[in-house]
Amino acid sequence: AQTVTQSQPEMSVQEAETVTLSCTYDTSESDYYLFWYKQPPSRQMILVIRQEAYKQQNATENRFSVNFQKAAKSFSLKISDSQLGDAAMYFCAYRSGNTGNQFYFGTGTSLTVIP
Amino acid sequence: GAGVSQTPSNKVTEKGKYVELRCDPISGHTALYWYRQSLGQGPEFLIYFQGTGAADDSGLPNDRFFAVRPEGSVSTLKIQRTERGDSAVYLCASSPFVGRGGTQYFGPGTRLLVL
Repeated sequence: AQTVTQSQPEMSVQEAETVTLSCTYDTSESDYYLFWYKQPPSRQMILVIRQEAYKQQNATENRFSVNFQKAAKSFSLKISDSQLGDAAMYFCAYRSGNTGNQFYFGTGTSLTVIP
Repeated sequence: GAGVSQTPSNKVTEKGKYVELRCDPISGHTALYWYRQSLGQGPEFLIYFQGTGAADDSGLPNDRFFAVRPEGSVSTLKIQRTERGDSAVYLCASSPFVGRGGTQYFGPGTRLLVL
């Protein structure tokens, strides 16, 4: 099974500053998809951003962007101009493009935004 | 439109009891997933449905866990003879299609506490 590793259990950032959350994964597949989900205290998992492995261009969604390094199997999330509402648990997830349909999640990073 | 809904939001039960957790997916979504999220962990896959059939139940921990989706919409996760180790948040997700990286949309989860 694929493994997803988030090595930062907790991170903090000053409001309006930039923070980067790390994620690495292990796979032998070439076709797959990567996701970042946000989980606030309400427990609702909210999709932040999605990256197709076959695309070289890094995905961006407003203040959120990724640094996808396929050879290094790294998929970090950058949050620019951090806002108080960004405070939450962030989970990195992997999904195969060929076999199976389940997501493999990392253990999460708790992000605190300091006013 | 309406998102994925789950009921109940919280469930407290005694060891050995039977519980049912319900998931209403986004209308028209053919794929439905169940995950279990233990404290401090990322969600772990339990089972997924394509239409009415369980396409992959490899994540169910044992035969006390069972899930159905009789009409291809609402799904019920059933846990028999609950144990304290079953305490967790149970998340449901739906996807408009299966395969090729379809994004999964999550519900708010049911927090199960077994005393």
